[in-house]
Amino acid sequence: EPEVTQTPSHQVTQMGQEVILRCVPISNHLYFYWYRQILGQKVEFLVSFYNNEISEKSEIFDDQFSVERPDGSNFTLKIRSTKLEDSAMYFCASLRGGTDTQYFGPGTRLTVL
Amino acid sequence: KNQVEQSPQSLIILEGKNCTLQCNYTVSPFSNLRWYKQDTGRGPVSLTIMTFSENTKSNGRYTATLDADTKQSSLHITASQLSDSASYICVIGGGSQGNLIFGKGTKLSVKP
Repeated sequence: EPEVTQTPSHQVTQMGQEVILRCVPISNHLYFYWYRQILGQKVEFLVSFYNNEISEKSEIFDDQFSVERPDGSNFTLKIRSTKLEDSAMYFCASLRGGTDTQYFGPGTRLTVL
Repeated sequence: KNQVEQSPQSLIILEGKNCTLQCNYTVSPFSNLRWYKQDTGRGPVSLTIMTFSENTKSNGRYTATLDADTKQSSLHITASQLSDSASYICVIGGGSQGNLIFGKGTKLSVKP
């Protein structure tokens, strides 16, 4: 069964450094998402992406964040200058369309020191 | 304010027993309601998805109900198994294709 994959599984970085989290959505899906989950808290929506542009973003997704779909398969989340409070699990999800369900990847645990 | 409230926060049951988890929401616009299972350190996995016109949806031992008038949903798990130990999250899909609103989840522990 096709699945969403994410790399790396765990990323440790110093505060102020840039990080890029990578996702490979399911191949025939058209909508792509990033969510984050701070330890012990609920999952929070960051951004949705469709037709090569951001379709919706939350208040969390400020100028430090950006997303890209550089080729036909990868979907990336970049944090330009990480802060301690960016430490969280970051989940990528993809959706084929319509009322289909979003399929989540296994997540990348980001630790900012 | 869009909110999804779940109860109980945590639940311990014995293997083989049934349980019911609750979800109340105040989300507008409302498009659909989903229940996800999330194992510790893993991504959420979809169990059921219902639109406002559906009252019940089953997926194996999982049965979800929805009352769109009272804005309540429940997830019933029958004949629980040890592998059911996880967080169960109620999620509301809004008017657009994205932006799911998550509840905090109910942490279920199934003991032998």
